[in-house]
Amino acid sequence: DADVTQTPRNRITKTGKRIMLECSQTKGHDRMYWYRQDPGLGLQLIYYSFDVKDINKGEISDGYSVSRQAQAKFSLSLESAIPNQTALYFCATSVGRGSTDTQYFGPGTRLTVL
Amino acid sequence: DQQVKQNSPSLSVQEGRISILNCDYTNSMFDYFLWYKKYPAEGPTFLISISSIKDKNEDGRFTVFLNKSAKHLSLHIVPSQPGDSAVYFCAGDDKIIFGKGTRLHILP
Repeated sequence: DADVTQTPRNRITKTGKRIMLECSQTKGHDRMYWYRQDPGLGLQLIYYSFDVKDINKGEISDGYSVSRQAQAKFSLSLESAIPNQTALYFCATSVGRGSTDTQYFGPGTRLTVL
Repeated sequence: DQQVKQNSPSLSVQEGRISILNCDYTNSMFDYFLWYKKYPAEGPTFLISISSIKDKNEDGRFTVFLNKSAKHLSLHIVPSQPGDSAVYFCAGDDKIIFGKGTRLHILP
C-alpha cells in the first residue's frame, strides 16, 4: 500500500464550487505539505504543517485553506474554485528530524475547474 | 524572488552519455539541497541530496556537485539510461523550495 495517498485522483468541477482534496499518510511523519504544479512553473508550496497544531502559509496560499485533522491527515480546500486553480496538486510528508528532511510525495490530484 | 532556479527547461542526451542538470540558488542559508525525479502521472521521488558543507555527493550513477562560491549545483548522471527520462527538480531545504524543473530526454 502507498505510504502517502491522495483522494480524489481526478476531479472536474465548476467555478464557484467548494472542493476538498484529502491526503493521508502511514509514514508517521509530523510534517505535511501541499503543493501545486503548473506546466513550466515547477512545484509551488501552498501550505505546510510541522505538526497538528502548526499550520503555515506557503508561497501561494490565497484562495486555499487547510485542515490538519490528525498527524496522518492534511486536507486542502478551495472555498470557491476558479479556473486558474486548474493544476496538479501534490501532498507530501517529511520526518522533520535529522540533517536531510527528505519529502515523500503522494501520487497527485488532477483538478480541473471549468 | 525565485530562490532556486533551473534555467534549462529541457535537455536531450544520448543513451550512455553523461547528463548534466544545473541549478542556481540565491539563498545562502540553505543547509542542504535535494534533487527529485518525477515521472508523468506520479509524485516526485527523492533522488540524492548534498549538505551545504560538502562539495560532492555520489550515489551510484548519480553525483551532485556543489559550488558555494558560485551558488550553483549540478546533477551528473552517467551513464544515462532510458529510464532516466523524467523531470528533475532541484530544491533547497527552507520549507523545501523547488526549482521549475528540467525535463531530461534520453535518446536511443
